[in-house]
Amino acid sequence: AQSVTQLGSHVSVSEGALVLLRCNYSSSVPPYLFWYVQYPNQGLQLLLKYTTGATLVKGINGFEAEFKKSETSFHLTKPSAHMSDAAEYFCAVSDSGTSYGKLTFGQGTILTVHP
Amino acid sequence: GAGVSQSPRYKVAKRGQDVALRCDPISGHVSLFWYQQALGQGPEFLTYFQNEAQLDKSGLPSDRFFAERPEGSVSTLKIQRTQQEDSAVYLCASSFFAGVSHEQFFGPGTRLTVL
Repeated sequence: AQSVTQLGSHVSVSEGALVLLRCNYSSSVPPYLFWYVQYPNQGLQLLLKYTTGATLVKGINGFEAEFKKSETSFHLTKPSAHMSDAAEYFCAVSDSGTSYGKLTFGQGTILTVHP
Repeated sequence: GAGVSQSPRYKVAKRGQDVALRCDPISGHVSLFWYQQALGQGPEFLTYFQNEAQLDKSGLPSDRFFAERPEGSVSTLKIQRTQQEDSAVYLCASSFFAGVSHEQFFGPGTRLTVL
């Protein structure tokens, strides 16, 4: 069975500071990994995904993530936080044992950005 | 274009009542997923449809939960004899393709409160 662990349920940064949200996964097969963002009262929106190929993945809004197989990690970063980045972030792994890829999510990390 | 829509957005039910939650996926999307998101948790998989076929219902928590997608477009999640532990946000997601690496587009969810 696959699982995802997000370290830190709450992360607080100052505007302009580095954002680092941690995600570790467990998978017996090569994983497909995703980061989604959820704003209040809205659905989840895809930030970026890793399938195959380049291990550094760039997404929307200046976010990027690096797949590290040896560390079973897929941490999300952004060099400079903006107030609009305040939201909840979810890391997810796709079940590659199926043909349709149901997602297993982490618990989520709430990002707060201070002025 | 229109995204995934869900109705109602909020539902309050008395314990023991039956409820029906509707999902309108993006037109032409083959795959449709239902997830349950408890307060403070990440979404958890409930069931998957490929067109009108329900291929996976392994996440449905009990036989009180039933989902259908009779014409391969709109889907309904029905919960019979609701219990307090059913209180959660129910998310619907659709994907154009059936595959492990494809983005799932999420609706805003239905927040169900069982009193």
